[in-house]
Amino acid sequence: QKEVEQDPGPLSVPEGAIVSLNCTYSNSAFQYFMWYRQYSRKGPELLMYTYSSGNKEDGRFTAQVDKSSKYISLFIRDSQPSDSATYLCAIPPSGGYQKVTFGTGTKLQVIP
Amino acid sequence: GAVVSQHPSRVICKSGTSVKIECRSLDFQATTMFWYRQFPKQSLMLMATSNEGSKATYEQGVEKDKFLINHASLTLSTLTVTSAHPEDSSFYICSARDHNQDRVTYEQYFGPGTRLTVT
Repeated sequence: QKEVEQDPGPLSVPEGAIVSLNCTYSNSAFQYFMWYRQYSRKGPELLMYTYSSGNKEDGRFTAQVDKSSKYISLFIRDSQPSDSATYLCAIPPSGGYQKVTFGTGTKLQVIP
Repeated sequence: GAVVSQHPSRVICKSGTSVKIECRSLDFQATTMFWYRQFPKQSLMLMATSNEGSKATYEQGVEKDKFLINHASLTLSTLTVTSAHPEDSSFYICSARDHNQDRVTYEQYFGPGTRLTVT
């Protein structure tokens, strides 16, 4: 079983729609989760991070963690064409290793 | 703050030659840097973890003699693709962790990437 799984999409929505991006993870010990955004032909940039369960809001973006089901979500309200990018969830290192594990990424296209 | 640069941003080389890509943390110190490769429409694939002053740790299936990594200072890591072949053509991205934040956050700061084309 992969440590983190993410639907690759692509996901196409009209401008102004609410977008839901999701990942599942396997290790119930994880407490720290991240979402990165990657525009085409650019390096990823950290969008949000969250500890433990619950919601974290930043502008139009909300990160949600459901530890009971090992499910993490990123919601984008009032989506804009500029939100068109690939979104990657990420989980922290485990087992003494340094590397962060990234999901495969979901490609989002917001159509004007 | 937390800016990572890569140089060059784009390089075209002939098959059999070597190419060096630099990754620099501009405003923070990074004891750990990571090198990723990304093929079109695919996710990031970690190649190796680069530790300042020590040998890099390579992921399974990555040839350490082909992809030479040097992390000689707290702000610079280099990736050299030796004897490049067309199948090495890809988007190479580095990332770095802020040494002073390493115990607080797992955030990685990514460079803008280097597009390598081997003809």
